[in-house]
Amino acid sequence: SQQGEEDPQALSIQEGENATMNCSYKTSINNLQWYRQNSGRGLVHLILIRSNEREKHSGRLRVTLDTSKKSSSLLITASRAADTASYFCATVPSGNTPLVFGKGTRLSVIA
Amino acid sequence: GAVVSQHPSRVICKSGTSVKIECRSLDFQATTMFWYRQFPKQSLMLMATSNEGSKATYEQGVEKDKFLINHASLTLSTLTVTSAHPEDSSFYICSARGYDEPYEQYFGPGTRLTVT
Repeated sequence: SQQGEEDPQALSIQEGENATMNCSYKTSINNLQWYRQNSGRGLVHLILIRSNEREKHSGRLRVTLDTSKKSSSLLITASRAADTASYFCATVPSGNTPLVFGKGTRLSVIA
Repeated sequence: GAVVSQHPSRVICKSGTSVKIECRSLDFQATTMFWYRQFPKQSLMLMATSNEGSKATYEQGVEKDKFLINHASLTLSTLTVTSAHPEDSSFYICSARGYDEPYEQYFGPGTRLTVT
């Protein structure tokens, strides 16, 4: 089963621009995580935000979490062609339940 | 972060044969391992959860007799696709999780299965 919906499904931007991806989910969560996946490759863990956190930064990444709206956003600043990939949000509904993935956003950064 | 390996990375097999995929946690003990399946341009779908020494728990719609999961030790889980058919062709990704909060899952690099 899938928990979340990413928005947009696909995003194409110019190098240097910022990219914003949104994720909505349905149930309460313990934490929310964002992953990147290059075509045909494995997942790369980007960032984890706990349910009691509102914002987190890691390098050019900024993640926000609004538990009242059951939504999260991932902002990539000053995008690069190498950021081209699919981005997934995934939630841990509670305790030690497995990650449930959203549908993903395919980001294309054009040089 | 912790390292999870998968073997093989790619496999091509003929219809009707069985294929085994191994998933190993290399530098930590994984009490729980998960198997996901991903079709092209789609998201990851959880197939099953396995705990060391006990039977796997399969998600609704996943045939347990077709996708045999064994979690014999704290560092190894295997997925066997039995009597494979072309529709089983997919990207299979395993994930391992340790003991403590926040129960972070570490993912293997995936196995591309093609059934001809």
